[in-house]
Amino acid sequence: QVQLVQSGAEVKQPGASVKISCKASGYTLTSYYMQWVRQAPGEGLEWMGIINASGGSPNYAQKLKGRLTFTRDTSTSTVFMELRSLTSEDTAVYYCARSGHYKQSRAMDVWGQGTAVTISS
Amino acid sequence: DIVMTQSPLSLPVTPGEPASISCRSSQSLLHNNGYNYLEWYLQKPGQSPQLLIYLASNRASGVPDRFSGSGSGTDFTLEISSVEADDVGIFYCMQALQTPFTFGPGTTLDI
Repeated sequence: QVQLVQSGAEVKQPGASVKISCKASGYTLTSYYMQWVRQAPGEGLEWMGIINASGGSPNYAQKLKGRLTFTRDTSTSTVFMELRSLTSEDTAVYYCARSGHYKQSRAMDVWGQGTAVTISS
Repeated sequence: DIVMTQSPLSLPVTPGEPASISCRSSQSLLHNNGYNYLEWYLQKPGQSPQLLIYLASNRASGVPDRFSGSGSGTDFTLEISSVEADDVGIFYCMQALQTPFTFGPGTTLDI
């Protein structure tokens, strides 16, 4: 079945970087987009950006630009999210989500299980 | 950025009764292709969000028909015709017309 499996929880120190993987199965990675959304503890959802898994420039949320990079490895059907210069405000659960299944829509129809990232000294 | 608001923020309901959530955007979400780029998601406790409605009024695959979406421009509504215990969670609307895509603050539905 179609699913996205993310890498495990991370604990990082302030100033470090984190790289989360999102492995797609049950469908062709390059036929869809992948979006990333995060959720700080007890807070709502925050959109981080979108990448066309077939190629092209990703689109990042302005507040994260300069610290955020999406990459993909088509040989393993995996998309990666790297966030640098971490602060306590980056403590959150990070989700990858597929989009492009519904024609004309950018809706996220399949979600990963989430990866908890904790920033602590 | 497009600002999304929702009301109410908390919605106590009784199983079997209907429920309605309003979502408003600071700009029209109507694309020149005729579609409104508004989505509804439900995040059940301890789970990842799940897609309910896309393009304002289209139910995603597998979503029960008790969920329906309506609206156009800047005003949208999610309706549940008969709430079930399994519907407990936080409902978010999200605009996908222009980046950055933005979510509403969420409406907590509890029974």
